Amino acid sequence: GQNIDQPTEMTATEGAIVQINCTYQTSGFNGLFWYQQHAGEAPTFLSYNVLDGLEEKGRFSSFLSRSKGYSYLLLKELQMKDSASYLCAVEGANSSYKLIFGSGTRLLVRP
Amino acid sequence: EAGVVQSPRYKIIEKKQPVAFWCNPISGHNTLYWYRQNLGQGPELLIRYENEEAVDDSQLPKDRFSAERLKGVDSTLKIQPAELGDSAVYLCASSSTATFETQYFGPGTRLLVL
Repeated sequence: GQNIDQPTEMTATEGAIVQINCTYQTSGFNGLFWYQQHAGEAPTFLSYNVLDGLEEKGRFSSFLSRSKGYSYLLLKELQMKDSASYLCAVEGANSSYKLIFGSGTRLLVRP
Repeated sequence: EAGVVQSPRYKIIEKKQPVAFWCNPISGHNTLYWYRQNLGQGPELLIRYENEEAVDDSQLPKDRFSAERLKGVDSTLKIQPAELGDSAVYLCASSSTATFETQYFGPGTRLLVL
């Protein structure tokens, strides 16, 4: 079967660093995406990993280990506006290139 | 560049009534997706179009759901008749190709079936 796991909720302090983990088991692998979704809004693209290693983009970084079926999203210098849900999604090559989403991690940033 | 446009943003109907959602993808994007997102869950794919062809509709409940993309641009998703369990956010997304390309999402239509 296909399964993507991420923590349901996390809380962090403004200015701190937070790491959101994602583990996956899918039929084939073509890449892993992270999306941010504020309440009542559409998911917006954050990052894409297809090779092992760390991809850095400003305050956000994403890491992938294909052998471990593991990724994390690292948010630095947290701001209040980072309070949102963070969705991990895998594109499975054997699933007609369909994105399989996790349930999302709801991050609350406190002052 | 305009993003993915969806309408309506909100819809409240009684069960057994029909409902339709409209989506206009980003200009030039050949691939269009309809997703359903239940509260506290990630989006689940309902149907994917490559131009006007539905290439993956394996998760579309075909007894009551239908979709079309007649000219390969905008698309309509219909539910008839709606059931209580259809209450969800219906998201449309588009990408320039199906593979390895980022999907861009519209704001969604929030459906409440009473």
